[in-house]
Amino acid sequence: DAKTTQPPSMDCAEGRAANLPCNHSTISGNEYVYWYRQIHSQGPQYIIHGLKNNETNEMASLIITEDRKSSTLILPHATLRDTAVYYCIVLLANAGGTSYGKLTFGQGTILTVHP
Amino acid sequence: ETGVTQSPTHLIKTRGQQVTLRCSSQSGHNTVSWYQQALGQGPQFIFQYYREEENGRGNFPPRFSGLQFPNYSSELNVNALELDDSALYLCASSLGRDRGYEQYFGPGTRLTVT
Repeated sequence: DAKTTQPPSMDCAEGRAANLPCNHSTISGNEYVYWYRQIHSQGPQYIIHGLKNNETNEMASLIITEDRKSSTLILPHATLRDTAVYYCIVLLANAGGTSYGKLTFGQGTILTVHP
Repeated sequence: ETGVTQSPTHLIKTRGQQVTLRCSSQSGHNTVSWYQQALGQGPQFIFQYYREEENGRGNFPPRFSGLQFPNYSSELNVNALELDDSALYLCASSLGRDRGYEQYFGPGTRLTVT
């Protein structure tokens, strides 16, 4: 699985968009980008994933650059409850035809949303 | 839809003892993964069970073992506890095969070894 690099911390004002970058310059063509977050004292929470195209769901948007070497998770209107550690994970989904769901978490980005 | 639940919430054990942690997966999910999270670190993959069989294992010694039951609930057993086993133990369930990386985590069990 490709290695990822994320800034250790970021701040955002409540109501503004939070843009969390992730660098994955060694990503291969069939590796996906997954984002999870972990709010203090809770288990991680799946947010979104993508392969090549930009993706959007009710929680966030994922923008992947054309060369796939980096991506940005966008929380369009951050709230105080979005304060959490955000993890970017790159992995080879369905390796060997089975669902080997080993998530490799790095240090992530601590996002603090301020009033 | 019932989410992932874990028991107990907190546990204190003595070095050398054995512990069993339990996890009930989200309704309809047939895959369970276990993670260990030390303070200030990201979760580390222990192993995964798919339809009652171990489907992958991380870099943990054999004294970490698990089971998955026909209803897809799961247990994590740790023998000969060491002080470094103190951590938050997380269970995650998923639909397996096509969506195995969309994992839904429980709140965790906080294990303290003294």
